[in-house]
Amino acid sequence: GENVEQHPSTLSVQEGDSAVIKCTYSDSASNYFPWYKQELGKRPQLIIDIRSNVGEKKDQRIAVTLNKTAKHFSLHITETQPEDSAVYFCAASPLISNFGNEKLTFGTGTRLTIIP
Amino acid sequence: NAGVTQTPKFQVLKTGQSMTLQCAQDMNHEYMSWYRQDPGMGLRLIHYSVGAGITDQGEVPNGYNVSRSTTEDFPLRLLSAAPSQTSVYFCASSQGPGELFFGEGSRLTVL
Repeated sequence: GENVEQHPSTLSVQEGDSAVIKCTYSDSASNYFPWYKQELGKRPQLIIDIRSNVGEKKDQRIAVTLNKTAKHFSLHITETQPEDSAVYFCAASPLISNFGNEKLTFGTGTRLTIIP
Repeated sequence: NAGVTQTPKFQVLKTGQSMTLQCAQDMNHEYMSWYRQDPGMGLRLIHYSVGAGITDQGEVPNGYNVSRSTTEDFPLRLLSAAPSQTSVYFCASSQGPGELFFGEGSRLTVL
């Protein structure tokens, strides 16, 4: 099955600086890569996702890049703000023939702390 | 819409006791699932359902049971609780593959 590795496990950055979280996956059939944000004591929520026919996707201060050849994808947060402090999870899944998200495999999470 | 609703939010059990975590969604999603979240291990799939009457095992199904009698409800049963089942449990639903909508979580402690 799929194996998703996520690094680093913790990350501290100064407010206003950029943060980068990296994930690698093992199954070449994976073609859907979402990122979830979980604030302390809250539920995970989708912040951005990318499919394998796209190399990069941006949404305001958040961007995700995908390198299918190397089997890795990254989350980039620019101009970080205190509200970006949270745990971020990457995930990978093949979409073909899925009924839902039964093949979605999550990484182990990155705790991001923004230092004011 | 309330989205995905889980109860209870907190529960303490003794080893060997049984209990049911309730999950309901009002988005008419066919896909529903249960995850457990443990420190350093991310979110691991316990069981899932692709529609009423259809359930299947995920990555860590042992010690848990599910049923899906309606589109809205997907309860998770712990048959004989063990300390290894101490965790935070999340119910999640989606309309096909794609964005998962999570409940607020249920923190379970087994003594």
